[in-house]
Amino acid sequence: AQSVTQLGSHVSVSEGALVLLRCNYSSSVPPYLFWYVQYPNQGLQLLLKYTTGATLVKGINGFEAEFKKSETSFHLTKPSAHMSDAAEYFCAVKRVSASKIIFGSGTRLSIRP
Amino acid sequence: SQTIHQWPATLVQPVGSPLSLECTVEGTSNPNLYWYRQAAGRGLQLLFYSVGIGQISSEVPQNLSASRPQDRQFILSSKKLLLSDSGFYLCAWTYSLGGWDTGELFFGEGSRLTVL
Repeated sequence: AQSVTQLGSHVSVSEGALVLLRCNYSSSVPPYLFWYVQYPNQGLQLLLKYTTGATLVKGINGFEAEFKKSETSFHLTKPSAHMSDAAEYFCAVKRVSASKIIFGSGTRLSIRP
Repeated sequence: SQTIHQWPATLVQPVGSPLSLECTVEGTSNPNLYWYRQAAGRGLQLLFYSVGIGQISSEVPQNLSASRPQDRQFILSSKKLLLSDSGFYLCAWTYSLGGWDTGELFFGEGSRLTVL
């Protein structure tokens, strides 16, 4: 069975500081991995995804994530936080051969001026 | 281009009343369709998904049901709502080609349900 664990339900960083949001997954077969962002009272939009190939993937708004198979992790990072990055972030996993997509519990990112 | 419509956007319902949330996708064929619920502090919970007309997979046993009467229409229903059904319901779709999909979800704007 697949599962996703996001460490830290709330992360707060200063503007300009490094953003690190953690995601660990469990999957018996190679997964597809995703990060989504949700702004208040809206649906989710894709930030980035890993399917195959390069393990460091770049997304929108300066975010990137690295797939580390040995650590079963897919942490999201951004070198310098901006006030507009304040939102909720979700990690998701999907088996390559299946249609079910499972999300983590989410991490709310706050940015301090 | 593809669009997804979800309605109603908000609703307040008494306990024991029925529910119907509707979702339609335009601009694509044979999408995979999903219903998720987001409750406060509980992340995004997969409720149902469908890979074709009349094909529904249920992930969480509860008093909700889903139907897919047409290729691009997905309906979430309940005969009798519970207080615990309150939440933010999100419909989403993915491209599907020959049983394979990228897994990239496209979400609707959501329906906020309050059960009193």
